[in-house]
Amino acid sequence: EAGVAQSPRYKIIEKRQSVAFWCNPISGHATLYWYQQILGQGPKLLIQFQNNGVVDDSQLPKDRFSAERLKGVDSTLKIQPAKLEDSAVYLCASTLVPSIRVTEAFFGQGTRLTVV
Amino acid sequence: DAKTTQPNSMESNEEEPVHLPCNHSTISGTDYIHWYRQLPSQGPEYVIHGLTSNVNNRMASLAIAEDRKSSTLILHRATLRDAAVYYCILRESNTGNQFYFGTGTSLTVIP
Repeated sequence: EAGVAQSPRYKIIEKRQSVAFWCNPISGHATLYWYQQILGQGPKLLIQFQNNGVVDDSQLPKDRFSAERLKGVDSTLKIQPAKLEDSAVYLCASTLVPSIRVTEAFFGQGTRLTVV
Repeated sequence: DAKTTQPNSMESNEEEPVHLPCNHSTISGTDYIHWYRQLPSQGPEYVIHGLTSNVNNRMASLAIAEDRKSSTLILHRATLRDAAVYYCILRESNTGNQFYFGTGTSLTVIP
């Protein structure tokens, strides 16, 4: 079974530039999450999708971050304009169905963003 | 918000058992306790989860206190590949099934 695919693996941009990350979840997984992980910290949930609808985006800095999952499959996360404090690893995860009885979320390897 | 408390770091000798504690004093009756681990430069991976009873799988065991206010992840024989950050997470039934991570416990395995 293919895992969660993310691209690119690494990205270096200057502050005030724009950047986009792509995620392809496991086939058939209805729920998709984006996390931000700053060095030395645990992942912080940014947004959760259920199919192509947003379930929770309460921690997404909406003045500069946006995300979409138009067809309920792939998702993109965009930052515009980037700030130095956005330097982090951006992780995508997916689960099969939105049930707490589902055992596991599958995570991609992440995209490491460095803003200089 | 993360609602679990874990030690920042722990050490274990290789091939010895490791007990990783987690406190979750505000847990509600329908919250599941999940454990994930994150190896260096990798995304988190599922380890084990439980509700009330102790659980075993091929990776680890999960011991849940009777009052459910704490739990312990048990690695029966630590190997060098078990060196990772271990996260204890409450999967809350009333908040849309998000996963909220704390800072986790960084486990060092000594050869």
